[in-house]
Amino acid sequence: AQSVTQPDIHITVSEGASLELRCNYSYGATPYLFWYVQSPGQGLQLLLKYFSGDTLVQGIKGFEAEFKRSQSSFNLRKPSVHWSDAAEYFCAAGGQAGTALIFGKGTTLSVSS
Amino acid sequence: GAVVSQHPSWVICKSGTSVKIECRSLDFQATTMFWYRQFPKQSLMLMATSNEGSKATYEQGVEKDKFLINHASLTLSTLTVTSAHPEDSSFYICSAPTLGQGEALHFGNGTRLTVT
Repeated sequence: AQSVTQPDIHITVSEGASLELRCNYSYGATPYLFWYVQSPGQGLQLLLKYFSGDTLVQGIKGFEAEFKRSQSSFNLRKPSVHWSDAAEYFCAAGGQAGTALIFGKGTTLSVSS
Repeated sequence: GAVVSQHPSWVICKSGTSVKIECRSLDFQATTMFWYRQFPKQSLMLMATSNEGSKATYEQGVEKDKFLINHASLTLSTLTVTSAHPEDSSFYICSAPTLGQGEALHFGNGTRLTVT
């Protein structure tokens, strides 16, 4: 069955520290991969996406993610976290263009001062 | 670009009444829209796929008679929660895809439904 796993439910990092959020997927073929961020009571904002090509993708707000086929992973990284990055982060996978996405359970990021 | 507008952002209704939620793609056309439901501190679960000009496709376990979906135009899909009960209280989020170079799934800001 297709699935997306985010192993970390909650992560706390210090402001200015680096961040890595993990995401693993199980899919029949290489899926389209996405990272979204959600603030409380809000919808989802797209951070970045991977379809093909360069396995290191850059997104908004200084985020990047690396696709590793051998590990079925698409981890999200940021070199220096800001307090405003505190939110819920979702990894998602999809098949052909325009289809619905399967979401992981999300990782809550807290930023300490 | 690629803005999805969802209305209302929150609604409180009494048990037994119906509530309609609108989802609009403001600057692009969407033949397909997706409706998700999100429980507190949980992930998004796909409820149904809304198809312009045809019937919606519901995920297993979703009651089509309770969650009525209409996709009357290329920019508007509606979700009506009929005969709402407290267990229907949730966060409902719609989304619409853009294809081509800017391909992604774009989300509305969600609707918080509380049934009393």
